[in-house]
Amino acid sequence: DTEVTQTPKHLVMGMTNKKSLKCEQHMGHRAMYWYKQKAKKPPELMFVYSYEKLSINESVPSRFSPECPNSSLLNLHLHALQPEDSALYLCASSQAPGFSRPGANVLTFGAGSRLTVL
Amino acid sequence: GQQVMQIPQYQHVQEGEDFTTYCNSSTTLSNIQWYKQRPGGHPVFLIQLVKSGEVKKQKRLTFQFGEAKKNSSLHITATQTTDVGTYFCAGGGSTLGRLYFGRGTQLTVWP
Repeated sequence: DTEVTQTPKHLVMGMTNKKSLKCEQHMGHRAMYWYKQKAKKPPELMFVYSYEKLSINESVPSRFSPECPNSSLLNLHLHALQPEDSALYLCASSQAPGFSRPGANVLTFGAGSRLTVL
Repeated sequence: GQQVMQIPQYQHVQEGEDFTTYCNSSTTLSNIQWYKQRPGGHPVFLIQLVKSGEVKKQKRLTFQFGEAKKNSSLHITATQTTDVGTYFCAGGGSTLGRLYFGRGTQLTVWP
């Protein structure tokens, strides 16, 4: 199994809603990532979990709350979002967080969750 | 902070023409990776380069990593309509977990 599965594929929410994005991988990868991507822009790193511990938070607003329940799962909890938060949210995983050996930090992306905030 | 610059931002070619995109970093990279994102899709890994001066080929695609490990290029020979998409380079620096993505080159191929 060499893929990252994200649900839901599409999400529309109001600014007062609470929702969650989910991500799962069964490749035994020990690093998992959340990226945000706006149209015609590169993926923008939000959070990195390394061995199930949060290792990078790119100064993301607290209305985004990540969670890593175990080594295969990654969630992104959303609350009180703004319309400008509408974007494609990509989950990714890699064997390890750093370049410890060739291939270790290569990212496998999920198909993404397209979020629209009204 | 560390940045990876990528040019051009857009490239429109006739099918059969060649295409090249370039990435340049302000600092030495530990490795550079290339990803392709089709319209409406997600980034898909193409290749990783780790050695100074490394050249790798995948069919019509040729990837190079500069001698100083600060620049890289992707060259596609005789483009096809299936090559359409945005090509991103992503450089690994010294910070664990962080890849520095270029802004991408959006390739359009006219039949």
